[in-house]
Amino acid sequence: SQQGEEDPQALSIQEGENATMNCSYKTSINNLQWYRQNSGRGLVHLILIRSNEREKHSGRLRVTLDTSKKSSSLLITASRAADTASYFCATAETGANNLFFGTGTRLTVIP
Amino acid sequence: DAGVTQSPTHLIKTRGQQVTLRCSPKSGHDTVSWYQQALGQGPQFIFQYYEEEERQRGNFPDRFSGHQFPNYSSELNVNALLLGDSALYLCASSGGRWANEKLFFGSGTQLSVL
Repeated sequence: SQQGEEDPQALSIQEGENATMNCSYKTSINNLQWYRQNSGRGLVHLILIRSNEREKHSGRLRVTLDTSKKSSSLLITASRAADTASYFCATAETGANNLFFGTGTRLTVIP
Repeated sequence: DAGVTQSPTHLIKTRGQQVTLRCSPKSGHDTVSWYQQALGQGPQFIFQYYEEEERQRGNFPDRFSGHQFPNYSSELNVNALLLGDSALYLCASSGGRWANEKLFFGSGTQLSVL
């Protein structure tokens, strides 16, 4: 079963606006990662945040993690049309070697 | 530096047939994981291979089997195909101490079962 649930399922914004996606999970984790997928092809790793971290930045990406609420958010600032894709959170459970992926948020950035 | 390569890109089979999908990991990676992604869903973990052994398995029936070769490449085999096996099959590689950090994915094999 999938561990993460993303919210919203779909998001449509104008170019230049910020996009925020949320992820909730159920169990204890070692880390949480965000991936992007264009047109149903391979996933691309965006950013990883460990369970003892609260916030992380990478370029236009900002990720937060609240382990007490078992939730994370991904903020993309100054969005571009090229950011149009599906975004998935993935959790690495303590003691597991695999990732559990959420259901994804489909982001559309309108030029 | 070649990334993760998968073959074939598309495949059409009929119910009851068997299929083999192939994956070459990113150079320097020794761990290969396979995921199944149904349309509109997130990827679901099938199994992971490390040192030619199945190290972990997800909730998939025995019809799904795999293999890892000494050069770290891997195969996914599915027997007795069902309509519900139609999906995008993704291979991901990783390396180093932690197999579940920063996975590199191939472009996938789109399997259609008719």
